[in-house]
Amino acid sequence: QLKLQESGPGLVKPSETLSLTCTVSGDSLTRSPYYWAWIRQPPGKTLEWIGSVYHTGTTYDSPSLKSRVAISIDTSKNQFSLKLTSVSAADTAVYYCARPRTIALAGGPFDSWGQGALVVVSS
Amino acid sequence: DIVMTQSPDSLAVSLGERATINCKASRSVLYSLNNKNYLAWYQQKPGQPPKLLIYWASTRESGVPDRFSGSGSGTDFTLTISSLQAEDVAVYYCQQYHSSPPYTFGQGTKLDIK
Repeated sequence: QLKLQESGPGLVKPSETLSLTCTVSGDSLTRSPYYWAWIRQPPGKTLEWIGSVYHTGTTYDSPSLKSRVAISIDTSKNQFSLKLTSVSAADTAVYYCARPRTIALAGGPFDSWGQGALVVVSS
Repeated sequence: DIVMTQSPDSLAVSLGERATINCKASRSVLYSLNNKNYLAWYQQKPGQPPKLLIYWASTRESGVPDRFSGSGSGTDFTLTISSLQAEDVAVYYCQQYHSSPPYTFGQGTKLDIK
């Protein structure tokens, strides 16, 4: 059974870099035909797709975050990661890693989700 | 960007009654080459990640009760719960995953019991 688990600091200072890792079990990222995605949800607000990565390292990022986002994949560890630079309070959110149910689609539909990691940006 | 607009923002329905949530895309999410609408519906309960209910606008995810159904094409879509149960209280989101990024979600519809 597929399981995704986010990990990383729950508190980040303004202007610093947010770093999260998603550890995948139940599927091998090596040559997996699926994209792997990061999605966030500020408290009380809707969901925002951040970006997706393929096992080859190919990424698709949200244009609104593109200059600050880096998504990478480490198939040897069965993990993929998110880095978001120059964070502000507006980046406070629950960050989810997720996988679409359909191969080769970067943007959904997402049938597998991690439990989410709350990241607060505050000094 | 494709903007997804849901209506209403909140909804209260009596147990056993029908609940209807609408989602409008700012441009078509129908891909002509395969005649599929790249539209999904999710249910989210407090403290939980979203749960996929419907994809391709009308295909029910495995394990989802058949009281949930999706319809629509192009830019206008509907999620219907035919007979509301207490466990259906949640926030519902539509999402488009058509073509190029960004892949956008609606603002959410909060469903309660009347």
